[in-house]
Amino acid sequence: DQQVKQNSPSLSVQEGRISILNCDYTNSMFDYFLWYKKYPAEGPTFLISISSIKDKNEDGRFTVFLNKSAKHLSLHIVPSQPGDSAVYFCAALIQGAQKLVFGQGTRLTINP
Amino acid sequence: DVKVTQSSRYLVKRTGEKVFLECVQDMDHENMFWYRQDPGLGLRLIYFSYDVKMKEKGDIPEGYSVSREKKERFSLILESASTNQTSMYLCASSLGGLAETQYFGPGTRLLVL
Repeated sequence: DQQVKQNSPSLSVQEGRISILNCDYTNSMFDYFLWYKKYPAEGPTFLISISSIKDKNEDGRFTVFLNKSAKHLSLHIVPSQPGDSAVYFCAALIQGAQKLVFGQGTRLTINP
Repeated sequence: DVKVTQSSRYLVKRTGEKVFLECVQDMDHENMFWYRQDPGLGLRLIYFSYDVKMKEKGDIPEGYSVSREKKERFSLILESASTNQTSMYLCASSLGGLAETQYFGPGTRLLVL
C-alpha cells in the first residue's frame, strides 16, 4: 500500500509562472514531511521540510503547505525557473523513527 | 558539507553473480540507508542501519543483505543477482536523533543481464 502518493507523474509549467506539486498521505501518524529534488544521474537533494505543528514553511521561492485534515501537502515554486526542471519527491516520517516514506515522484518541466 | 559517495556509478552484472555496492559518508552520521528507485515507484527502502553492526529491514529486503562494520561505511549485497534487481540504487545518511534530513549519494545504476 502506498502511504505517500504523488498522483501527477509529470507537470509542465511556463518559466516565471507558479509550479504547484501535490502529495497525499494516508498515515495520520506522520508528523514530518520533506521535499526532495532529483536531477538525472544524481542523488536526491533536500529542498524543504515542514513539521505537522505548522501549516506553512517558506524558503525563498519554495513554500510548502500542509493540510493535516486533508492529509495533503503541496510545494509551490514561484517564480519557476528552467533550473527547477527535475523530479520532485515528497516524503513523510514519524519523528524519531528515521524511516522516510517516499512518494512516486513528479517530473517538473519548466518551459522557456 | 555532507558528502555521501558510492563506489560505482554504473555496474553491469550477470544473473547469479554476487554484487557489492559500497557507500561511504564523511559526516559521522549515525544512520545509513539503502534505497532503490524505479520508475513509477519512487524510492523504496531496502535496509537501514542506525549504528555499527546494527541493521533493520526496510520495505523490500528480499534478495538483499547489508553490512555495517564501520560507522562511515554501509554495504549492500546482492547474494545472487537477478534481472528484477536492475535498478538505480541510492545510499543516504542522516545524523540521527530527530535530525530527519537524509543526504543522498549520487546513485549506482545496476544492470543485471
